[in-house]
Amino acid sequence: GQQVMQIPQYQHVQEGEDFTTYCNSSTTLSNIQWYKQRPGGHPVFLIQLVKSGEVKKQKRLTFQFGEAKKNSSLHITATQTTDVGTYFCAGPGGAQKLVFGQGTRLTINP
Amino acid sequence: DAEITQSPRHKITETGRQVTLACHQTWNHNNMFWYRQDLGHGLRLIHYSYGVHDTNKGEVSDGYSVSRSNTEDLPLTLESAASSQTSVYFCASSDGTGTYNEQFFGPGTRLTVL
Repeated sequence: GQQVMQIPQYQHVQEGEDFTTYCNSSTTLSNIQWYKQRPGGHPVFLIQLVKSGEVKKQKRLTFQFGEAKKNSSLHITATQTTDVGTYFCAGPGGAQKLVFGQGTRLTINP
Repeated sequence: DAEITQSPRHKITETGRQVTLACHQTWNHNNMFWYRQDLGHGLRLIHYSYGVHDTNKGEVSDGYSVSRSNTEDLPLTLESAASSQTSVYFCASSDGTGTYNEQFFGPGTRLTVL
């Protein structure tokens, strides 16, 4: 079935450094969603990308969808302690289901 | 405000016992999902439902069952709990009326099977 691979699994940065997580699929995705899960919390929807080559920004977060619609990335500029958590990408799993990547857990040294 | 709730938030049970985890949403969403979250595996789909009386198996459905008797609730039952079912369980819902639908997650239930 559909699989979405996400790397890295863990990332530790100093506060103020940038952070990027990558999501890859072997098949073309009609869209991709990103979620954030704070420690001890639940996943919360951040954004959805639909168009080839699409770039969307939310303050310090930049989301990209690849031209071939097989990969996506989330980049955080100048991380802050509030960015700590696990970031998941999710692709369509057929009929309104989602297939989640394994997630990237971000920790930050203040 | 609409919300999705889960109960209990924490549960400790013994191997072989039947356990039911509750999920209740007031979004009036058609779609509801159960996931389990384990280190290194992300979120894995257990069961899902597209509406009342509809239920479907996900990728890790063995040992679990669900029923959907109304729009708001999708309880998850572990027929005979096993230690391998120790996990954090999340319920989610989505609208289901459009092509792309974000999922709204409940706060989760941490289940320990001894």
